[in-house]
Amino acid sequence: DAGITQSPRHKVTETGTPVTLRCHQTENHRYMYWYRQDPGHGLRLIHYSYGVKDTDKGEVSDGYSVSRSKTEDFLLTLESATSSQTSVYFCAISDGPLKNSPLHFGNGTRLTVT
Amino acid sequence: QKEVEQDPGPLSVPEGAIVSLNCTYSNSAFQYFMWYRQYSRKGPELLMYTYSSGNKEDGRFTAQVDKSSKYISLFIRDSQPSDSATYLCAMRGNRDDKIIFGKGTRLHILP
Repeated sequence: DAGITQSPRHKVTETGTPVTLRCHQTENHRYMYWYRQDPGHGLRLIHYSYGVKDTDKGEVSDGYSVSRSKTEDFLLTLESATSSQTSVYFCAISDGPLKNSPLHFGNGTRLTVT
Repeated sequence: QKEVEQDPGPLSVPEGAIVSLNCTYSNSAFQYFMWYRQYSRKGPELLMYTYSSGNKEDGRFTAQVDKSSKYISLFIRDSQPSDSATYLCAMRGNRDDKIIFGKGTRLHILP
């Protein structure tokens, strides 16, 4: 799992509540990513970061925000969780931009919104 | 037409058999091709990373790219029960920072 820790590993929350997922890496990689994985959709990029305080949107960013105050930590926040955000969330890292470096994934957070 | 298509399976084969996993794609700009293995309740793990056409071998695994047909394959020789997992193909263009993933093929190796 390339020195990537995601927390929590499992979470159940109610619709309308805020939720924050954490990704912590020990590889000192500059790039960090949040993906969600759903049956029938595969992996889809939510947000990514290319440095401390530098973030950008992916293809499914609506309803999500991110923050990166330290190289090793990348937080994903669902401001007001909805049932459509029930998914498995994966953090990934790379030591350079994707055009030069492959992705390495953490073991995921399974989120259920009831 | 979807950018990347991958048969979801499940694919069940006996131990020791040669496994062939495949993806087709529509974007001729894709230049880099990857295969990830994902065990249940785990994150995807990079298996193979190839550029353009041709073959790449790593132990029991061989990745093959046919850009003229827009078709990539992963072959697993002497398959083992520990190879049972979901295999994801992924690809991107030469200048892209975006990776497109297939939906994955579930593979079961029967002892």
